[in-house]
Amino acid sequence: DSGVTQTPKHLITATGQRVTLRCSPRSGDLSVYWYQQSLDQGLQFLIQYYNGEERAKGNILERFSAQQFPDLHSELNLSSLELGDSALYFCASSTSLADTQYFGPGTRLTVL
Amino acid sequence: QQQVKQSPQSLIVQKGGISIINCAYENTAFDYFPWYQQFPGKGPALLIAIRPDVSEKKEGRFTISFNKSAKQFSLHIMDSQPGDSATYFCAASAPTRYALNFGKGTSLLVTP
Repeated sequence: DSGVTQTPKHLITATGQRVTLRCSPRSGDLSVYWYQQSLDQGLQFLIQYYNGEERAKGNILERFSAQQFPDLHSELNLSSLELGDSALYFCASSTSLADTQYFGPGTRLTVL
Repeated sequence: QQQVKQSPQSLIVQKGGISIINCAYENTAFDYFPWYQQFPGKGPALLIAIRPDVSEKKEGRFTISFNKSAKQFSLHIMDSQPGDSATYFCAASAPTRYALNFGKGTSLLVTP
């Protein structure tokens, strides 16, 4: 158990809908990363927050957004969902920017 | 564009054998090279990591070999066990941008 929690574990929704994925980092970790894992693209970095501020962006679609709250938990919002958004979404956290990233168990999103 | 190339895609090794997974990168700014292990239904977990100031790092049965001039690094699993059967990902990150760039993964099966 990495200490990173993600909810929900599974999410099934329809095209065009909007969902919110939640991540609670390890106690004391200030940095949160979101990654998407799909069969064809592998593990891709989406976005990073550090102590409430957006730090870096990767291959994140404009339909996706995220934020980190004062209690350091983070949410990833996916809107206007398409079939191709079906994937595993992982959150990772680290104590500070250059430290080891610890991954949560992921949220499996299925868009029908 | 895949910044880290990983091979082989899959690997079958007999119990007690040596498993070798290779990765190559192009970005000379990368300075942190971790390997993650992922079991089905779980998030990636850090196995071992190396920085380019050393050519080899060993932790138990796991060894990373690093060749800075060739821009390659590899994971060796000695005395492979059935419990090592998992997907292994190499990754790399650069200073100031700490997001991990992952290889596509290697599915390892260790047969009894």
